[in-house]
Amino acid sequence: QKEVEQDPGPLSVPEGAIVSLNCTYSNSAFQYFMWYRQYSRKGPELLMYTYSSGNKEDGRFTAQVDKSSKYISLFIRDSQPSDSATYLCATRQTNFGNEKLTFGTGTRLTIIP
Amino acid sequence: DTAVSQTPKYLVTQMGNDKSIKCEQNLGHDTMYWYKQDSKKFLKIMFSYNNKELIINETVPNRFSPKSPDKAHLNLHINSLELGDSAVYFCASSQEEGAGTLAKNIQYFGAGTRLSVL
Repeated sequence: QKEVEQDPGPLSVPEGAIVSLNCTYSNSAFQYFMWYRQYSRKGPELLMYTYSSGNKEDGRFTAQVDKSSKYISLFIRDSQPSDSATYLCATRQTNFGNEKLTFGTGTRLTIIP
Repeated sequence: DTAVSQTPKYLVTQMGNDKSIKCEQNLGHDTMYWYKQDSKKFLKIMFSYNNKELIINETVPNRFSPKSPDKAHLNLHINSLELGDSAVYFCASSQEEGAGTLAKNIQYFGAGTRLSVL
């Protein structure tokens, strides 16, 4: 069983819809949770960075962490065709660079105009 | 001005060959990484260096040898390439920013090197 599980999709939704992307993890020591967005043939780029449980909002994006159920979510409001990409969740125990990031497998999202 | 740059972007080679991928970052970060992304988009850490010192070495075959001549560069040399080495290899760098609960350690990725072993 992978430490971080993510539904690979693909997921297709119409433009303007609310998108919900989810991951579950098994290690209760994880404290830092990230969402990366990866466009085709590009490297991942950080979208959201959260610490512990709670919500964090940035424009149309909301990251949610529920440590009690080991569940992390990314919501995209008013989805746009430019949101079409692969979304990777990632987590780690500490903020130190010498600790590896553990990634989910990524969900491929397509927003249909 | 690209923050993390990798060369080459594409690499097509025969089984058994030896090849190198280079990575440079101009962000002034202390830590650099190599990741392998398979065809299913799963991104897995291979190595991490902090100020030229090896920090993370995830059970990678010893045909893969990273080298960090200085903290801005991390190269990856692969000996005796095998079909299963075909993947996209990403370099990344990071530095801790902020303090306390607002501290972040964000990894910045290069555009990747697409390796095809025939």
